[in-house]
Amino acid sequence: AQKVTQAQTEISVVEKEDVTLDCVYETRDTTYYLFWYKQPPSGELVFLIRRNSFDEQNEISGRYSWNFQKSTSSFNFTITASQVVDSAVYFCALSEANGANSKLTFGKGITLSVRP
Amino acid sequence: NAGVTQTPKFRVLKTGQSMTLLCAQDMNHEYMYWYRQDPGMGLRLIHYSVGEGTTAKGEVPDGYNVSRLKKQNFLLGLESAAPSQTSVYFCASRPWTGRTEAFFGQGTRLTVV
Repeated sequence: AQKVTQAQTEISVVEKEDVTLDCVYETRDTTYYLFWYKQPPSGELVFLIRRNSFDEQNEISGRYSWNFQKSTSSFNFTITASQVVDSAVYFCALSEANGANSKLTFGKGITLSVRP
Repeated sequence: NAGVTQTPKFRVLKTGQSMTLLCAQDMNHEYMYWYRQDPGMGLRLIHYSVGEGTTAKGEVPDGYNVSRLKKQNFLLGLESAAPSQTSVYFCASRPWTGRTEAFFGQGTRLTVV
């Protein structure tokens, strides 16, 4: 069975601080996919990034960066120089490869509050 | 582009009433999902479908039924609503290749009184 753990429930930082959101996953598959979604106060779910299990390269997109480490089953998300607009709930998700049991499992989410 | 559309966006039900939530996608996706979101619980999978005519139970299926008679539509039914089903419901779809992200609807806020 697949599982995603986001141990941090709420994080509060002051604007311009860096913050890392942790994600640990469990799966028996060798091929799987990891995702991060953002849910701003308006409620919609916004896709941020996808990573497959064969690609351990870190990725940077502007102030956002992701660190994927298979050895520790982690896919952490760092926001550099946080801004008030980053305040949201962030979800990490896991999907096994395509197939009849291709569920998409989410963690419980991390509520990030960025104070001015 | 419509993407994934959920109907309705808001609804208040009395305990024991029934209703159906409709999810429609225009991207020809094979996989469709229904989640519920409750405070502190994240997104929990209710039911999902890997293709027209097929459905499967997720993590919290009790009290819900689903149908996927057409590829583009995934219906979530509550036969006898209970206050514990007060939640925000999200529908999502994605292609059969698991590597692709899911596309979400705007959500349905359901209150059962």
